[in-house]
Amino acid sequence: QTVVTQEPSLTVSPGGTVTLTCASSTGAVTSDYYPNWFQQKPGQAPRAVIYSTSNKHSWTPARFSGSLLGGKAALTLSGVQPEDEAEYYCLLYYGTTQVYVFGTGTKVTVL
Amino acid sequence: EVQLVESGGGLVKPGGSLRLSCTASGLTFSDYKMNWVRQAPGKGLEWVSSISSSGTYIYYVDSVKGRFTISRDNAKNSMYLQMDSLRAEDTAVYYCARWGADAYWGQGTLVTVSS
Repeated sequence: QTVVTQEPSLTVSPGGTVTLTCASSTGAVTSDYYPNWFQQKPGQAPRAVIYSTSNKHSWTPARFSGSLLGGKAALTLSGVQPEDEAEYYCLLYYGTTQVYVFGTGTKVTVL
Repeated sequence: EVQLVESGGGLVKPGGSLRLSCTASGLTFSDYKMNWVRQAPGKGLEWVSSISSSGTYIYYVDSVKGRFTISRDNAKNSMYLQMDSLRAEDTAVYYCARWGADAYWGQGTLVTVSS
């Protein structure tokens, strides 16, 4: 069973920078996994923020960026704002079996 | 404005069945691969199933194979999830969604499996 692991929680000060990572139990994450990142606030549906590793949606704040870092997918929030406090999930695509797996989620606290 | 609206959730006994619907508006539904995602109370997101734009290619997470059936009717801009042999662990909010360059999520429908 494939597991996609994220940091359970991270705390960042307003205006600071935080990097969330997304690791696959099968090995290094590459662009072939088409990493997506989603933000979810309490009581709301998830909202996509990054697709295909590093591409932003029209509504994605410029302070959000996606990348590959040390064999993992990464989401960096720079100049963090209070409204960035949320749960963040990555999603990886496993092409050999044509299935998707969500990461375990990272709760970002802005304090 | 793109909207995805799920319906069909509710309370069902273990072993029972439910059929969820997802109706889309504001997009050319027949162009898009679509997905069902669920979230158990207080838990993370879990991908459940995908269906290609034409309905030809269908995939499931192992835990629902043989019990859930995804389908779509492009003429009705709708996608469905037939859920049979429901278990307590299927209790969750079920979302229809797509991701990639064109990303949309519905607001979800709650399915509760309990006696």
